[in-house]
This record gives sequence, C-alpha cells and structure tokens, in this order.
Amino acid sequence: DVKVTQSSRYLVKRTGEKVFLECVQDMDHENMFWYRQDPGLGLRLIYFSYDVKMKEKGDIPEGYSVSREKKERFSLILESASTNQTSMYLCASSLQGPSNQETQYFGPGTRLLVL
Amino acid sequence: GQNIDQPTEMTATEGAIVQINCTYQTSGFNGLFWYQQHAGEAPTFLSYNVLDGLEEKGRFSSFLSRSKGYSYLLLKELQMKDSASYLCAVRGGSYIPTFGRGTSLIVHP
Repeated sequence: DVKVTQSSRYLVKRTGEKVFLECVQDMDHENMFWYRQDPGLGLRLIYFSYDVKMKEKGDIPEGYSVSREKKERFSLILESASTNQTSMYLCASSLQGPSNQETQYFGPGTRLLVL
Repeated sequence: GQNIDQPTEMTATEGAIVQINCTYQTSGFNGLFWYQQHAGEAPTFLSYNVLDGLEEKGRFSSFLSRSKGYSYLLLKELQMKDSASYLCAVRGGSYIPTFGRGTSLIVHP
C-alpha cells in the first residue's frame, strides 16, 4: 500500500513564525504536491515537484516555498506565517505517466492554525 | 485556465441512488478523477475516466462525455457511510489535476 505521511496532524503557530510542513512517501513516486483545502474553495494547488530539486508553482504559491532534496520528501515552508494561512494542508504523490496509475495518493493532512 | 463545476451539497436516502455531476472546461484533456473524502480525512481515489462511457466498480460508477465536458459519479444502494465529500478532478494539458470544490453528500435513514 502507498503510504504518504505528514509530520503533524495539528499545528498552532504565531504570526510571523517560520513554519515547516514535512511530507514523506514510500512508493518511489516522482511527483509530489502540496495543496491547501478551505471550506467552499476546495483543494488548491500551492506547489508541485516532478523530480528531486525541481519545483513548479501551482495556483496559489504566494507566501510559500518548497524544498525537495530527496525523492521521498517534499517540504512546504511558510517563511512568515500569517492568519490567512490558517488552513488544512494536504500533501499528495503520484507516479509519472499518462495513465490511471497517476492517481494521487494523499497524506492525512495537517491542520494549521496561525494566531 | 480550467473551470470545474459541481454541486455544493446533495442529500439522499439510505438505499437510494444518487448522481453527482461535474462539468468542466479545460485546455486539453488527459483524464478525470473522482475522489471520496470523509470529514477530517484524506481524499481517496474512486475512479478514473479518460475515454467516453461508463466505468463500473461495484456500487460506484463514473461516466464521461468529453465532447460535452461532463462527468457524473453514480452511487447505488446508498449506505450511511457514503456520507462524504466527492471531489471531481480534471487533468488538462499540463497533466496536473485541478480539483472542483467538492460535493458534500448527506445520506439519511
């Protein structure tokens, strides 16, 4: 079974703090993604990576950065947390290739509260 | 850009059939996914359509019409545990899936 794990289920941070969200997958997937999910807005893509050290901006990258130093690990960084970054953060991974094997596998999510 | 539309909320009775629609406009098309997400949990894969027609998987079926930019997820013999959000995601020309806002399905006795 594919397993995607995230470092924390719940996190409380203060405005201005630097926040690291870690994601690890154990299936040797090339692609990794970070989403945020907010009520009424659905899943929105922040960043994705299709290879080690490669990253691409998604739909809402402002205020975030990412790091992919190893294939299995994809980190999301909030350089200076703000209250509007309070959200559920979901990490996902998938194989590369135009087939149904490219279905995304999601981690359990990190619910971040910024005070 | 991509635009994906699905109803916000639906209710249905245990044992009944429900159809959740998804319409989309994309630049290019490389498949449509349906995911199920229970409250507080991660989305899990339900189905994938890339060709027109119906894909059946037990109580769940998914239909695609590429010419109409339309898909539906059909759930039969509804059970209380089917109460969840159902997410439609379309993979366009970039091969990166874009998600709709999700449909919250409430199944009542």
